[in-house]
Formats: sequence, structure tokens, C-alpha cells
Amino acid sequence: NAGVTQTPKFQVLKTGQSMTLQCAQDMNHNSMYWYRQDPGMGLRLIYYSASEGTTDKGEVPNGYNVSRLNKREFSLRLESAAPSQTSVYFCASIYSLSSYNEQFFGPGTRLTVL
Amino acid sequence: DQQVKQNSPSLSVQEGRISILNCDYTNSMFDYFLWYKKYPAEGPTFLISISSIKDKNEDGRFTVFLNKSAKHLSLHIVPSQPGDSAVYFCAASIGYYGGTSYGKLTFGQGTILTVHP
Repeated sequence: NAGVTQTPKFQVLKTGQSMTLQCAQDMNHNSMYWYRQDPGMGLRLIYYSASEGTTDKGEVPNGYNVSRLNKREFSLRLESAAPSQTSVYFCASIYSLSSYNEQFFGPGTRLTVL
Repeated sequence: DQQVKQNSPSLSVQEGRISILNCDYTNSMFDYFLWYKKYPAEGPTFLISISSIKDKNEDGRFTVFLNKSAKHLSLHIVPSQPGDSAVYFCAASIGYYGGTSYGKLTFGQGTILTVHP
């Protein structure tokens, strides 16, 4: 039981390049989330997927797209990376919205955009 | 507009003493609060939570206090241990008692706790 896994762990991009951050969970969780963490800002929600087949914007969605590929996987895509997207990205999941269990987080992807 | 604020970027305490981390919020709709702990190069891990109908929740060395009228919560760690050195995030959510925010969490900026041996 690996929990929430994220790939890659580190990535350096040039401005304008695109990439996809991958997230997978093996806990049979229904809801998944993407956050970014910046110094002095805490974690901010980018996009979330309340259930398989649905996605919705969070607090800071501009410049990102997401895909809930199946129940296990939730990817985050940067179509044209900008230096302002330099951040640490965390994926999280929760079993049920009604259970109010805590969210489980992956180890993060550290992204630098030059 | 930061709805959840942790105004102390860092806190340093001696091993064995009490650590008190504070968190303030502005949105009166929040009805569920959580504390997460984060070590470097790892994701946040859940520590303790409290719903808005309670004013205290205890789990071992960790106690969370909620003062709804002041829109303030605090995390007490007693006794503090060097292994507690980490970044602590306060988070809040809406929908525990009806409605839903789809599990979305609003986080504070974090407080770096250092416990000295």
C-alpha cells in the first residue's frame, strides 16, 4: 500500500515548455486534489476532483489543466510554463466527502521554471 | 485575502516544555479545523482535528483548542520533543455540519517549530 505517489520528484523547465505532473493513489479514495506550496503562502488549492469523472477549479487554477484519468489517477498539466509556476506541488486524496477523514498527501513535486 | 492566518512564522522551544502554535481565521462558515505536520521533502501528514461544536480535542501529547467567538485555534504540544521539529499548518473547511465544500481545505502559511534538546 503505497498511499499517494507523485512523479516526478523534481523537474526543471524553461519558460513556455509544457509538462504533466502525475498522481496516483491506491487507497480507493474517491476525491483527489492538487495544491501548490509557496513560501509564506501555505498550500493553495489548484484543482480538485470530487469523484471520478468530475473536476473543478480551486483557488489558483490559471495556467493549469487537470485530468481525472480513472479513480486512481489525477494529473496536472502545465501547457506553457511560467516562472510564477515555480513551486512545490502536492497531490492529496480523501476517501469520502461525508466521512470527513483527513486528506492524505503525496511527497510532492518540486518544479522550477527558468 | 488570507482566510486562515498563522502569524508566527517560527517558534523555538526547549525539549520538555510546551509548544503553542496559533491560528486565526476570518470565515465564520468554517466548521472543521485540522492541523498538519510537514517534514522537509515530505508531504503534510494529518495530526489532529476539531469540529466547531467542540472547544477542545486531545490526542496524546497534542491538544487543539478552538475559540469560536475569537475565531482562533491553537495547538499545544506537551511535552515537546526534538522529533516534533517541523512545519505545522493549520487548515479549515466548510461542510462538516451540512452542505459541502467537496473536502476543500484552506491552509494557513505555516509555522516552523524547532525543539532544542
